[in-house]
Order: sequence, then structure tokens, then C-alpha cells
Amino acid sequence: DAGITQSPRHKVTETGTPVTLRCHQTENHRYMYWYRQDPGHGLRLIHYSYGVKDTDKGEVSDGYSVSRSKTEDFLLTLESATSSQTSVYFCAIRTQGINSPLHFGNGTRLTVT
Amino acid sequence: DQQVKQNSPSLSVQEGRISILNCDYTNSMFDYFLWYKKYPAEGPTFLISISSIKDKNEDGRFTVFLNKSAKHLSLHIVPSQPGDSAVYFCAASGGSNYKLTFGKGTLLTVNP
Repeated sequence: DAGITQSPRHKVTETGTPVTLRCHQTENHRYMYWYRQDPGHGLRLIHYSYGVKDTDKGEVSDGYSVSRSKTEDFLLTLESATSSQTSVYFCAIRTQGINSPLHFGNGTRLTVT
Repeated sequence: DQQVKQNSPSLSVQEGRISILNCDYTNSMFDYFLWYKKYPAEGPTFLISISSIKDKNEDGRFTVFLNKSAKHLSLHIVPSQPGDSAVYFCAASGGSNYKLTFGKGTLLTVNP
């Protein structure tokens, strides 16, 4: 157990509303990531962070923003949710150096109606 | 441009037999490769990894083989068990890049 908590676990929201997903870690690891999983697409990186206030874009960052004001929390915000953002969102952390695995949370299932 | 490819969406094997899952990559900078297993309603779980300086890594029933010249890796599960039924993702990273790129996954079904 890498000590990752994602909240909420499930959310249904309407098109056009803002949504924030939270990832919390208990061990103060530097690197944190947000992925989305969709059928036929696997896991795609949205944004990642390499420290407080240090973030960078992944391959599918359009429509998403992130913030990391504390080491333990990495927030993913959908500024104006669209149906194409219906997905399962996974947070991950890197607990060791560059050639080491990521450890994932249990995901947030988001439905945009 | 898909840098990590898993061309088989699904694979079905009998319990006790070998499962072979395949993965191809296109980015020559990749030097670290991983396999993850994912059950429904759970996050992906790390299974096994291999560095580009090796061509084989074993962990119990799981072995990963890397063929750098062909840009191909495979995961062998021997013997396969019904509890191995899951989606398996291949992933890769390289250079000073801390990002992990994933394939689309292969659904493995092990029949009793």
C-alpha cells in the first residue's frame, strides 16, 4: 500500500460545471501523476508534478489544470466538464528514483452528463 | 503517435498453460520497461520490470523478456492461474524523463 487516497471515488456531474479531483499521499514523495483510463486507449498521462508548485503537461492535458500547494496533495481540475471527460482517473506516485515503478491509487470514476 | 503498442486486445488460455503477452515500442530512448496488472474497480498494480541492460527478468511465475533490436518485450506467465485474469498494461520510460507511457492493455482470461 503506497498510501494514496483519491477522492471522491465516484462523481456524476453536468456538462459545463467545474470539477476537482483530489489525490492525497501520506509519505511526502516528490513525483505525482494524473492518468485517465478509457476503453481502447489504455492509460494516458494528463499532468504530473515534480514538487510543490512544479507541474508539467502530459499527452492529454487540454481541458485540465492541476495544482500542488502541498507535497501531499495533487489536485486535478476540469474547468468546464465535457462528456469526453467521462473516464476513470488514476493518481500515481513515484516512491523511488527515475527507473522505478509508479504506484497507483484506486481511481475516481467520473461521469459527465 | 502510439509509442507503446499492445496489439492483442485479449488473450484466452487454459489454467496451467503458459500465457504470453506482447508489447512493441517505437521510441529508441526508452530504457526501462514495466508490466502492470489491473483488476476491475482497482488501480493498476506493478508486476515486474526490466532495464535495457538486461534481456530477461524473472519473478516467480512471471518472466519479462526484452529484445532491444526488435523493440519488443513480452511477459510470460507460467503456469497461468484463474486469478491471473486481468488487464495487463505494458509501460516504458527513458532518458531523464520521469513520465511513464502505457500501452492500451491486453485482457487476459485464464479458464479453469
